[in-house]
Amino acid sequence: EAGVVQSPRYKIIEKKQPVAFWCNPISGHNTLYWYLQNLGQGPELLIRYENEEAVDDSQLPKDRFSAERLKGVDSTLKIQPAELGDSAVYLCASSLGGTGEYEQYFGPGTRLTVT
Amino acid sequence: SQKIEQNSEALNIQEGKTATLTCNYTNYSPAYLQWYRQDPGRGPVFLLLIRENEKEKRKERLKVTFDTTLKQSLFHITASQPADSATYLCALDSGNTGKLIFGQGTTLQVKP
Repeated sequence: EAGVVQSPRYKIIEKKQPVAFWCNPISGHNTLYWYLQNLGQGPELLIRYENEEAVDDSQLPKDRFSAERLKGVDSTLKIQPAELGDSAVYLCASSLGGTGEYEQYFGPGTRLTVT
Repeated sequence: SQKIEQNSEALNIQEGKTATLTCNYTNYSPAYLQWYRQDPGRGPVFLLLIRENEKEKRKERLKVTFDTTLKQSLFHITASQPADSATYLCALDSGNTGKLIFGQGTTLQVKP
């Protein structure tokens, strides 16, 4: 069974440019998460979806970040415009359910470098 | 304020010994606590989950304890191997909302 797929794996852009990340979760997983991970830190939740509904986006900087999960399957996270401080790894994860009793399956992440 | 703390310094042990990693938290009342392993350049991989009413959970060479009074979880790897070298993350649910809060991780280095 395929795991969580993310693309691209690496992205280098100049500040003020837009960037988009794509995630395809494990088949049958209704819950999808986007996390940001800085070096030496644990993942921090940006947004959580239950099917196509964003049920927790309280940590998403909405002035420049947006996300969508059309049809409740794959998802896209966008940053526009990117800032130097956005350099980090962006992780996508999925799970069977949306409570803490469900393990989360992570993709390999997209390493973003903003210059 | 709410906080999760893991040993920030790397843990270096000799092969064959037991590694013990600590996860402390304040101002949370998690119903579940999870442990993940993360290798460089890869996403975290789930290892174990323990519920608030469970004191201990085992899986092969791994053991997790959960003390809700001390607000602490311990993660043990017995008979450690160089292949166990990685960063280990603890994560707890924030009020059973599905939102996992991760610690910063502890890097374990097992030397042959």
